[in-house]
Amino acid sequence: AQSVSQHNHHVILSEAASLELGCNYSYGGTVNLFWYVQYPGQHLQLLLKYFSGDPLVKGIKGFEAEFIKSKFSFNLRKPSVQWSDTAEYFCAVKAPLNDYKLSFGAGTTVTVRA
Amino acid sequence: EADIYQTPRYLVIGTGKKITLECSQTMGHDKMYWYQQDPGMELHLIHYSYGVNSTEKGDLSSESTVSRIRTEHFPLTLESARPSHTSQYLCASSEMGTQYFGPGTRLLVL
Repeated sequence: AQSVSQHNHHVILSEAASLELGCNYSYGGTVNLFWYVQYPGQHLQLLLKYFSGDPLVKGIKGFEAEFIKSKFSFNLRKPSVQWSDTAEYFCAVKAPLNDYKLSFGAGTTVTVRA
Repeated sequence: EADIYQTPRYLVIGTGKKITLECSQTMGHDKMYWYQQDPGMELHLIHYSYGVNSTEKGDLSSESTVSRIRTEHFPLTLESARPSHTSQYLCASSEMGTQYFGPGTRLLVL
């Protein structure tokens, strides 16, 4: 069974600071990787995804993530956060042949202070 | 981006009541899912469907049931709610391997 580990439970930072959220997974085969964001009071939204190709993936709102296969990692980054980035961020992993199974991490709450 | 609707958004009910959480999507996606989400925890899949008349249980044991009579509609039913059912329930549908989520229903069972 897959497991997804997000290293930080809660991150607090100031506006304009850089953000990096860690995500590691345990599955040894080919994977599809996702980052979702949940803003306060809103539904889960897809931030970015990786299926194949360039391991550096750019998503919405200035976010990017890098897939490092040798490290089983898919870390999320943003060079300069804004107050509006305050949200909960979830990493998710899917094995392509397992069409229904999306395994989520426990989430990281990011608080950006103005 | 998929349009997925869930009603009600919030529900407070007493123990023993039967409830149905509604989920509809307008994109014609064949695959739909129900997740349970608790604070600080990962999402847990409780039911999924590959299409009309197809329903399967997910990884997390749940006393709820689902039905899929129409492509766009995937309701979840609890025959007799208990306080242990208090949680947030998220509905999703997928296309080309990517899942899209509804706003969720927050359920409180007293």
